[in-house]
Amino acid sequence: IQMTQSPSALSASVGDRVNITCRASQSISTWLAWYQQYPGKAPKVLIYEASSLESGVPSRFSGSGSGPEFTLTISSLQPDDIATYYCQQYHSFPWTFGQGTKVEIK
Amino acid sequence: QVQLVESGGGLVKPGGSLRLSCAASGFIFRDYYMSWIRQAPGKGLEWVSYFSSTGSSIYYADSVKGRFTISRDNAQNSLYLQMNRLRAEDTAVYYCARGAPGSGPPFDYWGQGTLVTVSS
Repeated sequence: IQMTQSPSALSASVGDRVNITCRASQSISTWLAWYQQYPGKAPKVLIYEASSLESGVPSRFSGSGSGPEFTLTISSLQPDDIATYYCQQYHSFPWTFGQGTKVEIK
Repeated sequence: QVQLVESGGGLVKPGGSLRLSCAASGFIFRDYYMSWIRQAPGKGLEWVSYFSSTGSSIYYADSVKGRFTISRDNAQNSLYLQMNRLRAEDTAVYYCARGAPGSGPPFDYWGQGTLVTVSS
């Protein structure tokens, strides 16, 4: 299953609403997770089962969608959100990641 | 607290072998499935292999099938990845990660990673 993220990079201002889209090449129901990764660090899970917020993750992060198309939303971009974000399907093996979206501050 | 610590990375020549280890602590290791995920320098994430909590299921990415072998020792709270016939394209930081069967995300805790460099 191929996962296609868009955009590959974005620049936004602090306080902006940011949306990152992930499209699966076939239906994966809601077996989708989102991860945040800072340079040189291990990824951290934000969202699982498409819309469930992982414990301890700020509520400004949310996930939505099902079937082939999903969205990660940051409701109000903060400086600490500057990172690369990846979607990942775990509907069927081989598990696959999107290519990543790099988020920068304008 | 949950900890996953990888080791065993290093520089190896093409065609060579390496064995990675992941030491787990802070949770009941046998209750979780485990995976290896890698990241080539400046690139995205690639899932490599999976070992179920029960030992009944093992999966590999096509890119490593037949060359890599995943294993675990529940008595030692450890996960392993035996990597044979290494290629330049296997150069990456290798992470181990855990997941709980039937609930939660597939990778809720990650190690810090160990770097494997395949070069002559």
